[in-house]
Amino acid sequence: KQEVTQIPAALSVPEGENLVLNCSFTDSAIYNLQWFRQDPGKGLTSLLLIQSSQREQTSGRLNASLDKSSGRSTLYIAASQPGDSATYLCAVSDRDNYGQNFVFGPGTRLSVLP
Amino acid sequence: EAGVAQSPRYKIIEKRQSVAFWCNPISGHATLYWYQQILGQGPKLLIQFQNNGVVDDSQLPKDRFSAERLKGVDSTLKIQPAKLEDSAVYLCASSLAGALDEQFFGPGTRLTVL
Repeated sequence: KQEVTQIPAALSVPEGENLVLNCSFTDSAIYNLQWFRQDPGKGLTSLLLIQSSQREQTSGRLNASLDKSSGRSTLYIAASQPGDSATYLCAVSDRDNYGQNFVFGPGTRLSVLP
Repeated sequence: EAGVAQSPRYKIIEKRQSVAFWCNPISGHATLYWYQQILGQGPKLLIQFQNNGVVDDSQLPKDRFSAERLKGVDSTLKIQPAKLEDSAVYLCASSLAGALDEQFFGPGTRLTVL
């Protein structure tokens, strides 16, 4: 059964710092991995989608990497801003005995201090 | 392009009552998902539809939860009767075709069961 973990659970940094969020998954047979952002009381906003054949994706100040064989992904945020404060979740798409499966991690709560 | 719509945004009911949530996915998206997100946790997939057929409902508590997507567009999720532990945010998401595609989420419905 696929399990997804995220470290750290919470992170507080001063504005301008570069930071890395980590995501680990137990079964490397995935279709893709997606990073999301969730603001308090809101739904999820998709940030980056990495297919299993890809090693990284970039969007603006965000860069996500995928090492499928070791079951790891990292989300790198450059020059952090207070507006980046949110919970960041990763999710993997794979297949289990019932069919397609989507498993989320618990999230990392990020606070960027002005 | 309009996003995923959900209603209501908030609902408060007493235990043993019934409740229904509605979701309208992005136009043209064949796949629709319902997730349950308990406070402090990542979303958990309840059911996945491909057009109007169920792909995966292995984590749906079928004794009290039901969902349908009769015409392959809108979907409703029902809980009957509700329990205290059903208090959560119910998120709807859609994707173009399936497991390889990016998921887009609605704002969610926050359910409180008293």
